[in-house]
This record gives sequence, C-alpha cells and structure tokens, in this order.
Amino acid sequence: NAGVTQTPKFQVLKTGQSMTLQCAQDMNHNSMYWYRQDPGMGLRLIYYSASEGTTDKGEVPNGYNVSRLNKREFSLRLESAAPSQTSVYFCATEDPSGDTQYFGPGTRLTVL
Amino acid sequence: GEDVEQSLFLSVREGDSSVINCTYTDSSSTYLYWYKQEPGAGLQLLTYIFSNMDMKQDQRLTVLLNKKDKHLSLRIADTQTGDSAIYFCAEREGGTALIFGKGTTLSVSS
Repeated sequence: NAGVTQTPKFQVLKTGQSMTLQCAQDMNHNSMYWYRQDPGMGLRLIYYSASEGTTDKGEVPNGYNVSRLNKREFSLRLESAAPSQTSVYFCATEDPSGDTQYFGPGTRLTVL
Repeated sequence: GEDVEQSLFLSVREGDSSVINCTYTDSSSTYLYWYKQEPGAGLQLLTYIFSNMDMKQDQRLTVLLNKKDKHLSLRIADTQTGDSAIYFCAEREGGTALIFGKGTTLSVSS
C-alpha cells in the first residue's frame, strides 16, 4: 500500500519546455488535488478533481492543465514552462468522509 | 476572502512545551487541521479538529479551538529534536479545498 506516489521527484526544465507531473493513489479515493508550495507562501491549490472524469480550477490554475483519466491517476501538465512555475508540487487525495487529505512526497521543479 | 495566518518561527529547548498559533477568517470552516512537514518531505497530517469541538488531545499533542476569536493552537508537550519541522495550519473551504497558512518553522535545540 504505497498511498500517494508522485513522479518524478526532481525535474529541471528550460523556459518553454513542456512536461507532465504524474500522481497515482492506491487508496481508492474519489477526490484528488494538485497544490504548489513556494517559500513563505504555504500551499496553494492549482486544480482538483472530485471524481474520475471531472476537474475544477483552484486558486492558481493559469499555465497548467490536468487530466483525470481514471480513479487512480491525476496528472498535471505544464505546456510551456516559465520560471514562475519553479516550485514544489504536491498531489493529495481525500478520504470519502471528507475529513482528511493525504499528500504525496512532492515533485521539485526548477524552470531555468 | 479566506485567510489563515501563522507566526513564521518558533524556537524552543528540548523538553519544553511548544505552542504554535493560527488565526483564520472563514467562520463557516468545518474542519481545522495541523500538518507537519519535515525537510524535503511531503505533508503529514498530525491532527484535526471539528469546528464544534473546543479541544482535542492526542498523546503529546493538544489542539485548542476558540471559535469566537477564530484562533487555533497546537501544543506539543515535551518537545523533542525530532519535532523540528514546519507546521501548517489549514482550514477547509466549503467542503472542497484546504486553505493553508504559510507555515511555522519550529526549531528545537538540545
């Protein structure tokens, strides 16, 4: 039981490159989330998915797209990376009671 | 809009109690959370409290909630060096997203 896994752990991109951050969960949870964490800023919600096939924007969605193709996986895509997207990205799932969110270990992204 | 405020730093000696404070603005919050983040790691849920509770105790952790003042605190008894981390307060917004504070860095010296 791995919980929430994220790949890659680290990534360096050049401005304008694209990439997809992967998140998978084996907890059979419906809701999944993508957050970004910046120094001194706490965590901010990028997108979330209440169930398979549905996605909604969070606080800071610009420059990102997401895909929830099945219950297990929720991916975050940067189509044209910018230095302002240098951050640590966390994926999370939520248990069905809605009490608790469980976080993955994070992806540390640097955009040069 | 919703906002969660925390002090940025706290320094204590090993064996002392630590108290980390948080204020929030959304009076409709149903749950309030404390997460711990160790260096280079993700967020670990420490504890949470329902908005209709005043206090919750879990081993060395005590959470106090003052709904009137919208104030939440986390007390760690007998603080150890392994407690050194960043602690995030969070509230639930309308049943969906968590709104996080900026985090309090707890430094424990021996």
